[in-house]
Amino acid sequence: DAGVTQSPTHLIKTRGQQVTLRCSPKSGHDTVSWYQQALGQGPQFIFQYYEEEERQRGNFPDRFSGHQFPNYSSELNVNALLLGDSALYLCASSLFDGKRQPQDTQYFGPGTRLTVL
Amino acid sequence: LAKTTQPISMDSYEGQEVNITCSHNNIATNDYITWYQQFPSQGPRFIIQGYKTKVTNEVASLFIPADRKSSTLSLPRVSLSDTAVYYCLVGLTGTASKLTFGTGTRLQVTL
Repeated sequence: DAGVTQSPTHLIKTRGQQVTLRCSPKSGHDTVSWYQQALGQGPQFIFQYYEEEERQRGNFPDRFSGHQFPNYSSELNVNALLLGDSALYLCASSLFDGKRQPQDTQYFGPGTRLTVL
Repeated sequence: LAKTTQPISMDSYEGQEVNITCSHNNIATNDYITWYQQFPSQGPRFIIQGYKTKVTNEVASLFIPADRKSSTLSLPRVSLSDTAVYYCLVGLTGTASKLTFGTGTRLQVTL
């Protein structure tokens, strides 16, 4: 049973550049959430995708955008990178339980470490 | 989501039982309590979830008093591999997509 996978593992960019991170959910899951985790802090919710649409969003600027594909995989795009965007980006997957709300247990991937110079 | 308060760090020796307490004074009636574990450079991993009294699984136990204003994660006989950050989260099961993590409790297990 494949768990959540993310690519790439590490990434180095310079200020002003754009980056795309990828995530494949756990087998059987249809919902993907993205989190940003700065060093020494807990993960912060960015947004969630279900049925190829953004369903919920945290307090992040429009520079952060995403996409979900028909196979439930997802991408996180960040434009005009800032030094403060350096963090571990985590993808988590879950499954809607038929009540139009996701189940509570989220399965996290290993993350992508983004460094902005 | 209800705000949670946990100790910043804890130390333990291998083989001991570790209890991490989380305070959530403004927990709502429908809120559940969930604990995650995170190793360095890895994503958080679900440990246990409960609503009231006691919940036990193969990894840990969760104790929740009647007023539900706090909860205690109990790890029996910890080993070096239990060294990690432990997060306490409180919220509705349906709002899992907005998991709100605090800074967690950094547990250090030594010989």
